[in-house]
Amino acid sequence: DSGVTQTPKHLITATGQRVTLRCSPRSGDLSVYWYQQSLDQGLQFLIQYYNGEERAKGNILERFSAQQFPDLHSELNLSSLELGDSALYFCASSEYREGDTEAFFGQGTRLTVV
Amino acid sequence: AQSVTQPDIHITVSEGASLELRCNYSYGATPYLFWYVQSPGQGLQLLLKYFSGDTLVQGIKGFEAEFKRSQSSFNLRKPSVHWSDAAEYFCAVGSLYSGAGSYQLTFGKGTKLSVIP
Repeated sequence: DSGVTQTPKHLITATGQRVTLRCSPRSGDLSVYWYQQSLDQGLQFLIQYYNGEERAKGNILERFSAQQFPDLHSELNLSSLELGDSALYFCASSEYREGDTEAFFGQGTRLTVV
Repeated sequence: AQSVTQPDIHITVSEGASLELRCNYSYGATPYLFWYVQSPGQGLQLLLKYFSGDTLVQGIKGFEAEFKRSQSSFNLRKPSVHWSDAAEYFCAVGSLYSGAGSYQLTFGKGTKLSVIP
């Protein structure tokens, strides 16, 4: 158990809909990352938050957004869903530490868009 | 921009045999390198990491990896594979950015390992 909790584990929704994925980081970790894993693109970095502020953006679509709340949990919002958004979405967290650090991954949320 | 290449999509080995999974990276500075393992339906678990120092790093579950700067490689090895090692393995390079003590991971496409009893 990595200590990172993602809910829900599975989500099935229709095209055009909006969903929210939730992530609770490990206790004490200030950084939260979101990754998307799909058959086509593999594992791709979407976005990172640090202590409530956006720090870095990767290949995140404009239809997607995220935020990190004062209690450090994070939500990834996916809107106007398309079939191609079906993927496994991972959240990861890490502590603030110069140099040697690592990201701990949750079990992921599997999103199926039908 | 950084990139990671895992040339082998699928490898099959017999239980007890040795294993080497290849990883090549492209990164402008000193890379931070990682190997993760993903079992079916599971998240990613860190096997080992290289930040600096000794280029041969030991990880969990008997895995090791060697950083070779001249070859831009970070190959994963295990002397004797167990059936429970069957999983997908991902190599990643981390690009640090200042002010956050954190980094963005760029992953390879993964190598699926099958183990024959």
